[in-house]
Amino acid sequence: AQTVTQSQPEMSVQEAETVTLSCTYDTSESDYYLFWYKQPPSRQMILVIRQEAYKQQNATENRFSVNFQKAAKSFSLKISDSQLGDAAMYFCAYRSAQWVGNTPLVFGKGTRLSVIA
Amino acid sequence: KAGVTQTPRYLIKTRGQQVTLSCSPISGHRSVSWYQQTPGQGLQFLFEYFSETQRNKGNFPGRFSGRQFSNSRSEMNVSTLELGDSALYLCASSIGGTDTQYFGPGTRLTVL
Repeated sequence: AQTVTQSQPEMSVQEAETVTLSCTYDTSESDYYLFWYKQPPSRQMILVIRQEAYKQQNATENRFSVNFQKAAKSFSLKISDSQLGDAAMYFCAYRSAQWVGNTPLVFGKGTRLSVIA
Repeated sequence: KAGVTQTPRYLIKTRGQQVTLSCSPISGHRSVSWYQQTPGQGLQFLFEYFSETQRNKGNFPGRFSGRQFSNSRSEMNVSTLELGDSALYLCASSIGGTDTQYFGPGTRLTVL
């Protein structure tokens, strides 16, 4: 079974600075997707960024980028120019790309990010 | 496009009662998944439906059940509620079975 580990329960960053959230995962599969989701106090889970394992190029979405190291099974999220609205719980998630049956998301425990004005 | 909607947003029930939660996926999405979120256990997968068929099920007791209708809307039911069922229940939809899931706002269930 796949597992996702987020080793930083809490982190903080100064407004306008850069922060990196860590995520490692364990799988024997070669084809899969990785995601970062953000859950603000409103509780709505919002997709931040997605990475396909077969792509070597790291995904980017505006101020958000990832460092995907497939061999090391590492998938970190970098937030540049942090804003107060980035304060939330961030979840790293894994989903198999197998086509047999449907596959659920496997989540890490989350990292709570605080942004200091 | 409208996002995933869940009703009701809040529910308070007592032990032994049953509850039904509803989820309407994004238009065109045929897969609906349900997750339970608690402070202690984190996010746990309940089940997933695709074209009215349950394709995958998590490790939850039989008191938790679900179904999907022909319009892809889904319901989950919890019978004989226990205190430990208090949680945020999240629904997510995707086009197919393995691509990106988009989440609804959740239903907060409190069991007294």
